[in-house]
Formats: sequence, C-alpha cells, structure tokens
Amino acid sequence: AQSVTQLGSHVSVSEGALVLLRCNYSSSVPPYLFWYVQYPNQGLQLLLKYTTGATLVKGINGFEAEFKKSETSFHLTKPSAHMSDAAEYFCAVSPNRDDKIIFGKGTRLHILP
Amino acid sequence: NAGVTQTPKFRILKIGQSMTLQCTQDMNHNYMYWYRQDPGMGLKLIYYSVGAGITDKGEVPNGYNVSRSTTEDFPLRLELAAPSQTSVYFCASSFTPPGHLYNEQFFGPGTRLTVL
Repeated sequence: AQSVTQLGSHVSVSEGALVLLRCNYSSSVPPYLFWYVQYPNQGLQLLLKYTTGATLVKGINGFEAEFKKSETSFHLTKPSAHMSDAAEYFCAVSPNRDDKIIFGKGTRLHILP
Repeated sequence: NAGVTQTPKFRILKIGQSMTLQCTQDMNHNYMYWYRQDPGMGLKLIYYSVGAGITDKGEVPNGYNVSRSTTEDFPLRLELAAPSQTSVYFCASSFTPPGHLYNEQFFGPGTRLTVL
C-alpha cells in the first residue's frame, strides 16, 4: 500500500536559515511525488512535483525537492527562510495514472524573527 | 476565472441536522474531489468524481453523499450531522487524473464546519 510520512508536525527556523522539511514514502513502484503548501485560512496550492526525469525539482518561491529512490525520500528545502514561508506543507504521493493522491499529515513551518 | 469556489465558508450545525456544501469550478475540469482536513491528520479523501454523472467513494465516505449532474458543480451532502464530522472541508478539481504526469489539483478556500 502507498503511504507517505512527514517527519515533524512542527518545524521552526529562523528567518534567513535553511528550511528542511522531510518526507518519506513507501511504494512498490516509482511514484509521482508532490509538495503542496497551505497558507493560513486558504486552500492548498501546488509547490512542486516530481514525475519523471531530473530528480532535483524546483518549485515556486525558491523551494526545491530532491527525489532519492534509494532513500525513498522527497525532502523539501529552501536555502533562506522568509517570514512569508510560514504555512503548512503537505507531501503527497500518487503511484500510477488514475490513482488517488495520498497526503501526508502535514508539517507546520514557523519562521522566527 | 474564479477557480474553485466553495460555500459557505463557515457553518455550525446541530446534531442530526443536514446540509449541503457547495463546490463549483469554472476551469472545465473533469476530475473533482472532496477532502476533509482534521488537525494533525492531513487530508482524507471523502468522494471523488471523474466526470458528470460518475462518482466514487474515497477513504472516508461514511455519513456523506455526493452528486455530479454538471461538470462545474460537485455538492457534498451531510444527511445526519454528527460531532465526528466537525472538520474543514476542501473541494478540489483537476484536468487530469491524480496520477497523471501533468496533474495538479486546484483547491477551494474550504468550509469550516462545526457540529454541536
């Protein structure tokens, strides 16, 4: 069965520091992987996704994620945190076409001044 | 182009009452979804639809019903509200299936429902 695990329900970083949000998945085949972001009182929006090809994926707002098959991971990073990055981040996995997306439980990112 | 719209934004129900959460998208997407979001639990799929007239159950369908008479609308019905249905409900839509290479789900702003 497909599943996705996000390590840490809350992560705090100082403004200007590196952001690292961890995501591991379980899959019998290489999946499609997504990161969604949810700003306060809003719906989710797609940050980036990995489908095929280059394993380092760049998204909006300076975020990127690297698909590591050997580690079954898809961690999200940003070199320098900004106050506007405070939000909840969801990792999601989809194994094949016509399948449903499975969301992780989310990680709330706090930015300290 | 409004994207995905949901009404109402907030609602308080008494146990046993019924209500319909409205969802409309203007992007001509075939695929539509209803999720519920509970604190610390992520999003759980309630129902989804692959086109007008076609719906299917997701992970947590009990206590809910849906219909899809048009491409644009995908209402979610709660028949006998229970406290366990207190949650934030999100509607989403996409042009391609969830697992498609170019899939991106577009979410509405959510409906916050409290059942007392």
